[in-house]
Amino acid sequence: GENVEQHPSTLSVQEGDSAVIKCTYSDSASNYFPWYKQELGKGPQLIIDIRSNVGEKKDQRIAVTLNKTAKHFSLHITETQPEDSAVYFCAASERSTGFQKLVFGTGTRLLVSP
Amino acid sequence: DGGITQSPKYLFRKEGQNVTLSCEQNLNHDAMYWYRQDPGQGLRLIYYSQIVNDFQKGDIAEGYSVSREKKESFPLTVTSAQKNPTAFYLCASSSRAGYPTEAFFGQGTRLTVV
Repeated sequence: GENVEQHPSTLSVQEGDSAVIKCTYSDSASNYFPWYKQELGKGPQLIIDIRSNVGEKKDQRIAVTLNKTAKHFSLHITETQPEDSAVYFCAASERSTGFQKLVFGTGTRLLVSP
Repeated sequence: DGGITQSPKYLFRKEGQNVTLSCEQNLNHDAMYWYRQDPGQGLRLIYYSQIVNDFQKGDIAEGYSVSREKKESFPLTVTSAQKNPTAFYLCASSSRAGYPTEAFFGQGTRLTVV
């Protein structure tokens, strides 16, 4: 089955800096890669996603890049703000008997210091 | 407001007891999921359901049971057979089970064994 690895586990940046979180996946058949943000005590919320037919997607300060050949994808946050502090999860879809299952990375705790 | 509602937010269980976590969605989604989240780990899939009256085991189903009698409801029972039930439990739904798309999460239930 699919295996997703995520790095780093923690990331500290100064306000205004950029932050990059990287994930690798094992199943070349995976075709959907979402990123979720989870604030303390809450459920994860989708912040951006990308499909395998696209190499890059951007939404204001957030961008995701996908390299299918190398089987890795990355989240880029520019001009970080304290409210970006949270745990971020990447995921990859795994197709199992007609059902699309999301396999999650272990998460990155991002701390943005003022 | 459309969304997923989990209850209760906090739940305490004595050893040997079964407890049931509630999950209700009004998004008219076909697929529903239960995930378990432990510190330092990603989200692990317990059970999922693609349609009413049908559900499948995920990666860590032992000690758990579910039902899907209504489209909008997918309760999870943590049985006494689950040896380490203390965790944060997340319910999610998505519009189409066979197509990779955004999963919407509830706010979670934190279960503690006392």
